[in-house]
Amino acid sequence: SQTIHQWPATLVQPVGSPLSLECTVEGTSNPNLYWYRQAAGRGLQLLFYSIGIDQISSEVPQNLSASRPQDRQFILSSKKLLLSDSGFYLCARASTTTEGKLFFGSGTQLSVL
Amino acid sequence: SQQGEEDPQALSIQEGENATMNCSYKTSINNLQWYRQNSGRGLVHLILIRSNEREKHSGRLRVTLDTSKKSSSLLITASRAADTASYFCARHQGAQKLVFGQGTRLTINP
Repeated sequence: SQTIHQWPATLVQPVGSPLSLECTVEGTSNPNLYWYRQAAGRGLQLLFYSIGIDQISSEVPQNLSASRPQDRQFILSSKKLLLSDSGFYLCARASTTTEGKLFFGSGTQLSVL
Repeated sequence: SQQGEEDPQALSIQEGENATMNCSYKTSINNLQWYRQNSGRGLVHLILIRSNEREKHSGRLRVTLDTSKKSSSLLITASRAADTASYFCARHQGAQKLVFGQGTRLTINP
């Protein structure tokens, strides 16, 4: 199974509030995991990826952080949200083959007001 | 940009017609992937073409790859209303990262 659980589906948060988005995956152990953000009508921006527990690579300087406390759990956080953090957040896991296909969760639409 | 770039940005055709979307990239690849995204949903992998392949088929999908021109195209034949979605090409940047283009928004009119 390549099931990816991502919640919540929709979130409205005030500026300055904290954020925690959780992603859990099923299937083989030690998957590569990813957080992407998508602005409305735009492409995907890679935010973080992880090749293992507590191994996080950050792609862009920003107001967000990621953690991987367990093998199949990937968390995206912020201490204080900005208006510019609004967007569609997608969690993904890589396939176990060397070709590196991604399987995506259903996403979280975050609106910061 | 190191990402793939799709064109056109938007495409609107009649049901039954063929839809062609193009993707260009700047550096060498091991493979190139195409994904589909329905509005408000996650992306779904459609097809992968390796750098030593020139053409690949999957159902009504046909993907071509020209590594000399650093470009790929996705053809959807006999389009249906259900094909309405955004389509993205993606390639690896290093071993771990998959980067996506801006996508083509395809609308199939009944």
